Formats: sequence, C-alpha cells, structure tokens
Amino acid sequence: DAKTTQPTSMDCAEGRAANLPCNHSTISGNEYVYWYRQIHSQGPQYIIHGLKNNETNEMASLIITEDRKSSTLILPHATLRDTAVYYCIVRSPGTYKYIFGTGTRLKVLA
Amino acid sequence: DAGVIQSPRHEVTEMGQEVTLRCKPISGHNSLFWYRQTMMRGLELLIYFNNNVPIDDSGMPEDRFSAKMPNASFSTLKIQPSEPRDSAVYFCASSLALVLAGVEQFFGPGTRLTVL
Repeated sequence: DAKTTQPTSMDCAEGRAANLPCNHSTISGNEYVYWYRQIHSQGPQYIIHGLKNNETNEMASLIITEDRKSSTLILPHATLRDTAVYYCIVRSPGTYKYIFGTGTRLKVLA
Repeated sequence: DAGVIQSPRHEVTEMGQEVTLRCKPISGHNSLFWYRQTMMRGLELLIYFNNNVPIDDSGMPEDRFSAKMPNASFSTLKIQPSEPRDSAVYFCASSLALVLAGVEQFFGPGTRLTVL
C-alpha cells in the first residue's frame, strides 16, 4: 500500500471549516483513500473513503485531486468534539491491513 | 447495536503474570483484528482472523503473545508471561468481508494494559 504524509498538527476555530491535507504521491490505480479519526482514549472511527471522485457524507467531505496524488478531508463546521487525531490511509480493495501513520492532530479552538 | 465490546477496559498486572484480553465483535462481522497502540510505535496490527481462522499473525511480537477465536462472537488475546514493554492500549476491531471495497473497520474502546 502507498505511504501517506500528513502535517503533524493543525488548529481550527470552532464553526469554521477544517481542511486536513494528505499526500499519497505513490498511490496506485486501485487503491482507495480512507480517513479515520481517533478521539482521545477512544478507538479509531471511520469517517469517509474514496477512489477518484469527491465524496460527501454526514461527517465530512473528501476531495481527491485529479492525479490522485493528494486529498483533503473537510469538516465543514468544526466543533470542539472534532478535536482528534486524523489518519489518512491508502488501501487496496480486498486487503485487510490498514497502515496507520502518525496522523494529524487537529485542535478545534473555542 | 452495541458495537465492538472489549474487556477489561483497564488491566494492571505485575511482570510475569498472564494477561487475557477479550473481544466480542459486532454480530454478523466475519473479520476480526487485534491492534496495539503505543506512543513510540503508534497503532500496529497484531493479528487478523477471517471466519474465525487466523490469517495473518505476522504482527504478533513474539511467542508470549497468542490469540484465539473459538467462535464468531468471541476472541481472546493472551500474553504469558507479561513484561513491562507490553504496556499499551490494545484494540479489537471487526468488519464485514474485506473483498469488498470501502469496507470499514469498527473499533472497540480498547483495553489499557499496564505491566509493572
């Protein structure tokens, strides 16, 4: 699976959009981009995934560049409860292993 | 839906003792994973079961670690004998068949193990 690179930490004001970038320049054609988050002292939680097209669900939006070498997770209206470590993961379908990197520690500020 | 259930939530033991961590996956899920999380190494996959059969245990640190899944609703991770370096948070996760794209893993709340 391709390696991902994320900023170590980010701050965001409450109520504003949080944009979390991820670089996956070695991604191959059949690999999906997944985002999970881990709130302090809890297990990781699935947020969203995508292959080529932009995706949106009740939690977030995922924007994948046309060359698929990078993506951005958008939390449209961040709240204090969104403070967490966000992991960007690239995985092939049919494989079971998630490689969790160090993630981005997002702090939402009141 | 109760989600993935793990017990105990916290375990403190002394070096050399046997430790058993327990997991109940989400009903209907046929894949189960054990992870370990430490500050130094982050979140690591220890072992993966599919339909109660261990498929990949390459992440198990050494022979002191063993895992079983006697049926679809229960799994254990055992450490014998335990050592201080085993101190970590251990997560269990479950999912549906992984041949499908986009299948997510559901994580339990974790067991925080401290070995003195």
